[in-house]
Amino acid sequence: NAGVTQTPKFQVLKTGQSMTLQCAQDMNHNSMYWYRQDPGMGLRLIYYSASEGTTDKGEVPNGYNVSRLNKREFSLRLESAAPSQTSVYFCASRDDSLNTEAFFGQGTRLTVV
Amino acid sequence: RKEVEQDPGPFNVPEGATVAFNCTYSNSASQSFFWYRQDCRKEPKLLMSVYSSGNEDGRFTAQLNRASQYISLLIRDSKLSDSATYLCVVSHNYGQNFVFGPGTRLSVLP
Repeated sequence: NAGVTQTPKFQVLKTGQSMTLQCAQDMNHNSMYWYRQDPGMGLRLIYYSASEGTTDKGEVPNGYNVSRLNKREFSLRLESAAPSQTSVYFCASRDDSLNTEAFFGQGTRLTVV
Repeated sequence: RKEVEQDPGPFNVPEGATVAFNCTYSNSASQSFFWYRQDCRKEPKLLMSVYSSGNEDGRFTAQLNRASQYISLLIRDSKLSDSATYLCVVSHNYGQNFVFGPGTRLSVLP
């Protein structure tokens, strides 16, 4: 059972570089989420997608873009990375029609220097 | 005010102790409630869902008080392996986001 798969697991970027974090789920879930986690801050929602083709801003969307091209995949893009975006990023998915729990990927540790 | 707040912690308890975590939420439209556990440098994993009538899973008991917008988690007979951060999560209606509290760190000491 793959569940939620995130790539890459680790990444170092220089300030101003761009990159895309990939996330895919094989559980046929409608909702997908991107969070960032910083020390002492808990998980903060960046963007979420309730269904294919729809996205909504979360608590901390600035500096990020997302794309939900199909039901399985939800990508997060940093167009011009900044040191403040150094964080651990988690992708999650959920079947919210059943009001059940969310399942998480293993995370991406991103450092922007 | 944060939408979901938790005891700030950390909690340091001896093995065998009983420990309780509290969580409050501000959105009265919240419909689903969960406790997650997160080990250091790992992804959060579901510990248990929280039902209106309260529920128990072994040494773990979760309670929900909708009137007070309050959720609790009780851990009995703490084990060293219970050391982790415990995250309270609330969810709203369809398609709405899944909101985490800041977490409470627990260290069970030998």
